[in-house]
Amino acid sequence: EDQVTQSPEALRLQEGESSSLNCSYTVSGLRGLFWYRQDPGKGPEFLFTLYSAGEEKEKERLKATLTKKESFLHITAPKPEDSATYLCAVQVYSTLTFGKGTMLLVSP
Amino acid sequence: GAVVSQHPSRVICKSGTSVKIECRSLDFQATTMFWYRQFPKQSLMLMATSNEGSKATYEQGVEKDKFLINHASLTLSTLTVTSAHPEDSSFYICSARDLSKGGSTEAFFGQGTRLTVV
Repeated sequence: EDQVTQSPEALRLQEGESSSLNCSYTVSGLRGLFWYRQDPGKGPEFLFTLYSAGEEKEKERLKATLTKKESFLHITAPKPEDSATYLCAVQVYSTLTFGKGTMLLVSP
Repeated sequence: GAVVSQHPSRVICKSGTSVKIECRSLDFQATTMFWYRQFPKQSLMLMATSNEGSKATYEQGVEKDKFLINHASLTLSTLTVTSAHPEDSSFYICSARDLSKGGSTEAFFGQGTRLTVV
């Protein structure tokens, strides 16, 4: 059974304090790993797709990396507006399997 | 990114009534749409996969007769919760795949619908 585990469940940072979120996965035949941002009461907003180990992608203060077992979402010098729940999902066939997410709170 | 519009954003209904939720892809054609359910502090759980012009594929444990899905066009899929009960109260989210992206597997999500059954 495909499994996606995100850690930590919650993370509180001070503005400017860089950190990383982890997504570990156990799947057979990964077709893609996705990162989404979800604000309260909203649908997920697409951030990145990673397809193979060693791949990296960046967007503003966010950088996603991928290995054969896990992915990291690095947040550099976060701002309060980066506060949200970050979801990781893996695709094996046509559907996505989501982790429970990491709730990030960035204090000014 | 592609825009997916979901309506309504919130709905309150009485127990025993039916509720319809619409999911539209505004600037692309979506051959496949997905319906999810999300409980507080839980991950998105896939309910069904909807393909244009054919019957939806439901995940194990999801009642087909209770959650009716119609995907009549390349831009619209609907989810109808029939004979709703309080335990159906949840956050329902749709997503769609952009046909023009070819082999890309990116999925874009609607804003979600908060259903409360009283």
